[in-house]
Amino acid sequence: KAGVTQTPRYLIKTRGQQVTLSCSPISGHRSVSWYQQTPGQGLQFLFEYFSETQRNKGNFPGRFSGRQFSNSRSEMNVSTLELGDSALYLCASSQQGADEAFFGQGTRLTVV
Amino acid sequence: GEDVEQSLFLSVREGDSSVINCTYTDSSSTYLYWYKQEPGAGLQLLTYIFSNMDMKQDQRLTVLLNKKDKHLSLRIADTQTGDSAIYFCAEKSYNTDKLIFGTGTRLQVFP
Repeated sequence: KAGVTQTPRYLIKTRGQQVTLSCSPISGHRSVSWYQQTPGQGLQFLFEYFSETQRNKGNFPGRFSGRQFSNSRSEMNVSTLELGDSALYLCASSQQGADEAFFGQGTRLTVV
Repeated sequence: GEDVEQSLFLSVREGDSSVINCTYTDSSSTYLYWYKQEPGAGLQLLTYIFSNMDMKQDQRLTVLLNKKDKHLSLRIADTQTGDSAIYFCAEKSYNTDKLIFGTGTRLQVFP
């Protein structure tokens, strides 16, 4: 069974640009969550999607948005990139109400 | 409020036991997790415990939960150099898949 797949693994963008990151969950998993990991703030929750609906959102500005498709794949978008958006973005998938959440390898975004 | 705290660093000798501690504040937490992160990698789920349990053992890993004190610990028996990594505890509340993570504990194992 394939794990959680995040693409791309690495990205370099310049300030002011926008970026889209992709996450394919484990087959059969309908819940996808996104997290931002930085040395200063640690792991912070961004959003949670289930069946194409956003169920929960963290304390991030409106420049951060996401969506989930009917096949459970999810994307997150960051517009008007800032230097502080440089981070490892992690996606996790789980079955609804399940105990376990599995993470992808992450997308490392560098904003220059 | 939601807050999860861990000590930042732990150093142990190979073959000894490691104990990583975590405290949390959300009394509605239903599941508590331990994840491992190696350099440049994502998070690997090690083990988890349901909030109505006191202890869970899985091979070299033992999780202890003191719900009254909101204290969680992970014991790694016979620690190996391959166990060197950052360990995160996390909590999850009922009816959500949102995880609240601790700051992470860097475990260093020396020969």
